[in-house]
Amino acid sequence: EVQLLESGGGLVQPGGSLRLSCAASGFTFSSYAMSWVRQAPGKGLEWVSAISGSGGSTYYADSVKGRFTISRDNSKNTLYLQMNSLRAEDTAVYYCAKGSNYVVGEYYYMDVWGKGTTVTVSS
Amino acid sequence: QSVLTQPPSVSAAPGQKVTISCSGSSSNIGNNYVSWYQQLPGTAPKLLIYENNKRPSGIPDRFSGSKSGTSATLGITGLQTGDEADYYCGTWDSSLSALLWVFGGGTKLTVL
Repeated sequence: EVQLLESGGGLVQPGGSLRLSCAASGFTFSSYAMSWVRQAPGKGLEWVSAISGSGGSTYYADSVKGRFTISRDNSKNTLYLQMNSLRAEDTAVYYCAKGSNYVVGEYYYMDVWGKGTTVTVSS
Repeated sequence: QSVLTQPPSVSAAPGQKVTISCSGSSSNIGNNYVSWYQQLPGTAPKLLIYENNKRPSGIPDRFSGSKSGTSATLGITGLQTGDEADYYCGTWDSSLSALLWVFGGGTKLTVL
């Protein structure tokens, strides 16, 4: 069974940093691109970032570019999101999602989602 | 303001049919496949439709998807109270020489 388990969320002050992790199991992790998607309280889904299966290509939403870094360790079957210079508007549930293909693009969609981890940015 | 436009809410009676629209442009829906996601209250999103009109295994054929030009539509027939959820469309947007995934703002389905 394909499973994704996010961790690393918590309360952080504005300007602080946090690293989220997503442990994957049940599939060949290195063969699939992965994404992070967030959902602010009472709001809709917002795509944050994506990374190819090899980790060689990364993509970011304008709202996080330059502050967040997506990475992966295929030997550990784990996806990461390093979040720096956090702002109140980054408060959200962060979901890890498995991609449908090795690379992003026309045929890409998110076929399995984790349960999410909550990040709260507040003083 | 989302790049993809969905109605904030739709409603229908049990057993009836409902459609949810998703409007975009040539830089997103017009040149890429659309997928749809269902988010039941308090849970993570779940893939409902991919590549415009394909259903993952386990998704009943009451759910259907279509695309025409720069718009996509999710259809649900034989509505059940368990279908009450938020529904999101999504696709890639390749404008401004950047590749970004975009979601619609979401549509809340109420089964009266």
